[in-house]
Amino acid sequence: NAGVTQTPKFRILKIGQSMTLQCTQDMNHNYMYWYRQDPGMGLKLIYYSVGAGITDKGEVPNGYNVSRSTTEDFPLRLELAAPSQTSVYFCASSMTENTIYFGEGSWLTVV
Amino acid sequence: GQQLNQSPQSMFIQEGEDVSMNCTSSSIFNTWLWYKQDPGEGPVLLIALYKAGELTSNGRLTAQFGITRKDSFLNISASIPSDVGIYFCAGRGEGGGADGLTFGKGTHLIIQP
Repeated sequence: NAGVTQTPKFRILKIGQSMTLQCTQDMNHNYMYWYRQDPGMGLKLIYYSVGAGITDKGEVPNGYNVSRSTTEDFPLRLELAAPSQTSVYFCASSMTENTIYFGEGSWLTVV
Repeated sequence: GQQLNQSPQSMFIQEGEDVSMNCTSSSIFNTWLWYKQDPGEGPVLLIALYKAGELTSNGRLTAQFGITRKDSFLNISASIPSDVGIYFCAGRGEGGGADGLTFGKGTHLIIQP
């Protein structure tokens, strides 16, 4: 079972570059999320979506954009990468608001 | 916003020992979730709790939804090396929507053989 799949696993970006983290889920979940995890901290919500065509800001949305054109896909876009965006990014999905299932993570370094 | 305190921050134990960790919130929660994260992996859901006083087990893991609805506990019995990792609690308060899940900072569990 694939579950939540995110790519790439690792990426190094230069300051000012842009990139897209891809996320897809095969569980037909309505809800999808992007979190970032910094050392010693809990997970912080960047953006979320309650269904195709609907996206909303989370706790730390600045510097990011998302889209949800299909139920399966929820890409996260970084337009002008900054060192503060060095982090581990997790995509997640859920059928309801409660039990969230996470992808394996994407390690991003901005230099 | 809601605040979640998870303790202890780290634990160094011997294999075979029992483990206890907890989370407390500044407000009432309707849902408590416990996750485990292995190095280089995403968090994996261990136990979900939806009702005050609820006690749920998953193998050697047992979690409880506190009666006050402001805390939750996770116990691991007879720890084994594969229990090593970071354990996160997460909770959702009253009226919390899809963006209403708050995560603790994690408990690092280290097992000495």
